[in-house]
Amino acid sequence: AQTVTQSQPEMSVQEAETVTLSCTYDTSENNYYLFWYKQPPSRQMILVIRQEAYKQQNATENRFSVNFQKAAKSFSLKISDSQLGDTAMYFCAFTIIQGAQKLVFGQGTRLTINP
Amino acid sequence: DAGVIQSPRHEVTEMGQEVTLRCKPISGHDYLFWYRQTMMRGLELLIYFNNNVPIDDSGMPEDRFSAKMPNASFSTLKIQPSEPRDSAVYFCASRRGQGGGPQHFGDGTRLSIL
Repeated sequence: AQTVTQSQPEMSVQEAETVTLSCTYDTSENNYYLFWYKQPPSRQMILVIRQEAYKQQNATENRFSVNFQKAAKSFSLKISDSQLGDTAMYFCAFTIIQGAQKLVFGQGTRLTINP
Repeated sequence: DAGVIQSPRHEVTEMGQEVTLRCKPISGHDYLFWYRQTMMRGLELLIYFNNNVPIDDSGMPEDRFSAKMPNASFSTLKIQPSEPRDSAVYFCASRRGQGGGPQHFGDGTRLSIL
């Protein structure tokens, strides 16, 4: 079975701090992609960052970066210089390249950035 | 380019009524996905299409749910008859090509069955 686990249901930090959200996953596949999606109160699902499993280099997008540990099946998201607009639910997800094309999501982490 | 467009944004109806949710994918995207989001089960895939053909409908909860994609620019998800436990947010997403390309989500339809 393919699963994603986010062990932190809620997190709260002060504005400008750095925060790391945890994610572990389980799959027997070797080729897959990992994603972090953000869902603000407006309900949109917004892609934050994507990582190819065959790349060792960690993906970065401005203030967002990941720590991808393939052997440990870990994919954490780091948000630097957090902003009030980062307040949202964050979902970790993956999809395998061959076969089933669906995204498998974790249960999400509710992140609150306090002023 | 316009994103994935879903309608309606909100739907409130009584138990037993037929509900139809609509989705227009991004032009040029050949994959279309329907997801359901609830507090208890999180985000789960219901069905997905490739080139308008249903590929995997194993997530469709029961026969009351049906989905169609008559052409590349339109899909529907229908519930008949609806039940209170169908209350959820339903997302449509589309993607270009197979593999690791990102799925682009619509704004979702919040469905409430009374």
